[in-house]
This record gives sequence, C-alpha cells and structure tokens, in this order.
Amino acid sequence: SQQGEEDPQALSIQEGENATMNCSYKTSINNLQWYRQNSGRGLVHLILIRSNEREKHSGRLRVTLDTSKKSSSLLITASRAADTASYFCATDARGYSTLTFGKGTMLLVSP
Amino acid sequence: EAGVAQSPRYKIIEKRQSVAFWCNPISGHATLYWYQQILGQGPKLLIQFQNNGVVDDSQLPKDRFSAERLKGVDSTLKIQPAKLEDSAVYLCASSLEGAGATQYFGPGTRLLVL
Repeated sequence: SQQGEEDPQALSIQEGENATMNCSYKTSINNLQWYRQNSGRGLVHLILIRSNEREKHSGRLRVTLDTSKKSSSLLITASRAADTASYFCATDARGYSTLTFGKGTMLLVSP
Repeated sequence: EAGVAQSPRYKIIEKRQSVAFWCNPISGHATLYWYQQILGQGPKLLIQFQNNGVVDDSQLPKDRFSAERLKGVDSTLKIQPAKLEDSAVYLCASSLEGAGATQYFGPGTRLLVL
C-alpha cells in the first residue's frame, strides 16, 4: 500500500507563479523526501526533511513538515517551464527499512 | 561521477515470454533497489538489496519475478513468464546507506507486454 498521497493530482500554472503540492501520510516517519520525475526519465532527489525538522529550503524549493498532521508541502517559487514534471513524496516509516512513494502530482508550467 | 546505468531502455515482448533487466549502481553504493512504476502511479518497491543480501522483497511476485545481485555490485531482474499487467517502467536506484538515504535513480527500462 502507498504511504504518501499527494494533492492535487495535477496542477497547471503560468511561469513566474508559485506552485504548492501537498503530501499526507499514515504512519510515523523518520524522514520525508521529495523527488521530481520528468517525462520518460528516472526520478531525481530534490530535498529531504527529517521528522524533527519543520521547514527546509533549497534554492527555489521550500518544504514544510507537520508531523502532528502527518503532512508535508512542497513550494516551488517563481516557477519555470523547466519545472514541468511529476513530483513525488516518499516516506521512510519508522520500523521499516524501505521508502514508500505516493502517486505524485503532475505539474505543468506554461510559458 | 557516473550515475545508475540500466539496460535495455525499452523492451517489447509477448505474454508468457521471459525478459531480463540489468542495473549497474553508482560505485560504492551498498544499497540497490528495483521499483516497478505503472503509468500514472508512483514507484513501487519490488526488492531492496544491502550489498548482496535481500533486505525486503515482500512485494516481489516470486512466482514470476526473480532478482539477484552478484558480488554486491550489478543486479539483474527477471520476469518469467511475463503477463500483460507487467507492462511498466522498471527503475533501478542505489544509495550509500539504507532506504532513509537519498536514492539515485537510473533512467528506467520501459517494458511493454503484448
């Protein structure tokens, strides 16, 4: 079964706008990661946030984690057409040694 | 640094045939993963190796799928016999440590079973 569920399933915005994607999960985690997948390609790691962290930044990316609500959000600021991709959250659940991916959010950034 | 290599990139077979995929992880990465990604879904872990030992293969359909990682480096994933529902992208990934670490993915093998 999939641990993480992203929301929305699809998001369409214009270049320069911000994009926000959310991820909810079910069980306690050690950390949560976000990955990007361009069409027909493998996944690329974006950012990792540990369960004792609340917010993390990397370039135009901002990730928040609320363990009390079992949710995370990924914000991409000043989006570009090159940000068009699917975005997945993945959780490393406590007591398990594997990473579980959600179904992803498909982001389309139009010029 | 070379990334994760996979071959072939594409494969078309008929149902009941067999197929094998190959993966070469990033040098020095102890953990290797095989994922199945069906269109429109996230990757689903099939098997996870730590060096040449299996950490988790709970979602591997063992009646038709098999995987090995000889000498703790390269790995092969085999399907025999293939079913229509095996049509998917098979992704290989590797990491320095266990699943909580950053995973580096190969480009995947796109399999179509007719």
